[in-house]
Amino acid sequence: RKEVEQDPGPFNVPEGATVAFNCTYSNSASQSFFWYRQDCRKEPKLLMSVYSSGNEDGRFTAQLNRASQYISLLIRDSKLSDSATYLCVVKNTGNQFYFGTGTSLTVIP
Amino acid sequence: GAGVSQSPSNKVTEKGKDVELRCDPISGHTALYWYRQSLGQGLEFLIYFQGNSAPDKSGLPSDRFSAERTGGSVSTLTIQRTQQEDSAVYLCASSLAGGWYGYTFGSGTRLTVV
Repeated sequence: RKEVEQDPGPFNVPEGATVAFNCTYSNSASQSFFWYRQDCRKEPKLLMSVYSSGNEDGRFTAQLNRASQYISLLIRDSKLSDSATYLCVVKNTGNQFYFGTGTSLTVIP
Repeated sequence: GAGVSQSPSNKVTEKGKDVELRCDPISGHTALYWYRQSLGQGLEFLIYFQGNSAPDKSGLPSDRFSAERTGGSVSTLTIQRTQQEDSAVYLCASSLAGGWYGYTFGSGTRLTVV
């Protein structure tokens, strides 16, 4: 079983829509959680950390459900510039960060 | 430096040749990671350096791959006798110790083996 699993999509949504991505992780001892954004042919960039109590950064809201071992990212009022691949990332007790294969989002005018 | 710097940005090499990829992490970041990403695939962990500790090499796919980090700063990833399946983008990232706040990637080296 993969450490981190994501629905690859693609998600095609109109501008202004709300879209949510989920990600599941297999190791219940996982300690840190992140969402990264990767634009086509670019490196991944940290979008936001995910905290146990949930956290919000502008139009972006991240949630963590430890009992069910999933992480979510909600994007409100989607912009064309939100089009990218969103990577779920989990850090366990070791040295590695485990990346999901990403969820592709295209925001359509 | 201000960000993670990788060189070269692109490298085309003939099958069987050796290549060296360089990563210059953010100043003060003690942790350094190498990943690779094949076209349309997720990130594959290769190796991790933390300070002066022995590196975690568990992700290196074969003994043709090696990496070193000199003086706790610049790192070099070496691929010997390159094969076509080595073609990928090689990404370096650095972070503060433990990586609890995520890490910062360089823009990568796109390696093409022909």
